[in-house]
Amino acid sequence: SAVISQKPSRDICQRGTSLTIQCQVDSQVTMMFWYRQQPGQSLTLIATANQGSEATYESGFVIDKFPISRPNLTFSTLTVSNMSPEDSSIYLCSVETGINNEQFFGPGTRLTVL
Amino acid sequence: AQSVTQPDIHITVSEGASLELRCNYSYGATPYLFWYVQSPGQGLQLLLKYFSGDTLVQGIKGFEAEFKRSQSSFNLRKPSVHWSDAAEYFCAVPRAGSYQLTFGKGTKLSVIP
Repeated sequence: SAVISQKPSRDICQRGTSLTIQCQVDSQVTMMFWYRQQPGQSLTLIATANQGSEATYESGFVIDKFPISRPNLTFSTLTVSNMSPEDSSIYLCSVETGINNEQFFGPGTRLTVL
Repeated sequence: AQSVTQPDIHITVSEGASLELRCNYSYGATPYLFWYVQSPGQGLQLLLKYFSGDTLVQGIKGFEAEFKRSQSSFNLRKPSVHWSDAAEYFCAVPRAGSYQLTFGKGTKLSVIP
């Protein structure tokens, strides 16, 4: 398994601003993922972040809006840029353990945009 | 494309009663299958997983799930529900040839004392 922490746990932001969310893992992992969970909804994958390469974004998500960094095998950041109220969601990072697609999730960052 | 269907949006059970949450999948081959639980205000916790072999898998917190290929189902069960089981439950399957997971829409479980 893996222990994952996220910062901040929650934030309230003004529209037009940006927020950077950090994800820290207690062990080295190749694959990290960022998900969005809109209120009352399931999880939607934003992007896959592999160390040493550009993040791969899912349809409907673009790098300008959600830039991602992956500087090493234990850390990643997701920035939500130029925020609007529609960006109010829980953002979760996860890691793939390398064993049969098993993923472990961080506790999430609850973002509210006013 | 792979898909996961959780037909029940919301289920309410009495504490001590048995529970079954349904999950149906669409997949070209025998998939890996996962159940996750999300307690209020929390992230997702892996309850159990199916990779191969025994079709009845045991998980944490007294949960089990049965893989039925003929029905394309992976239903989650618990013989006696506790109030602390109130949460949202998600079934997930990997996309073919990748590590990304596709999640169902989730089933919210409420427990009546």
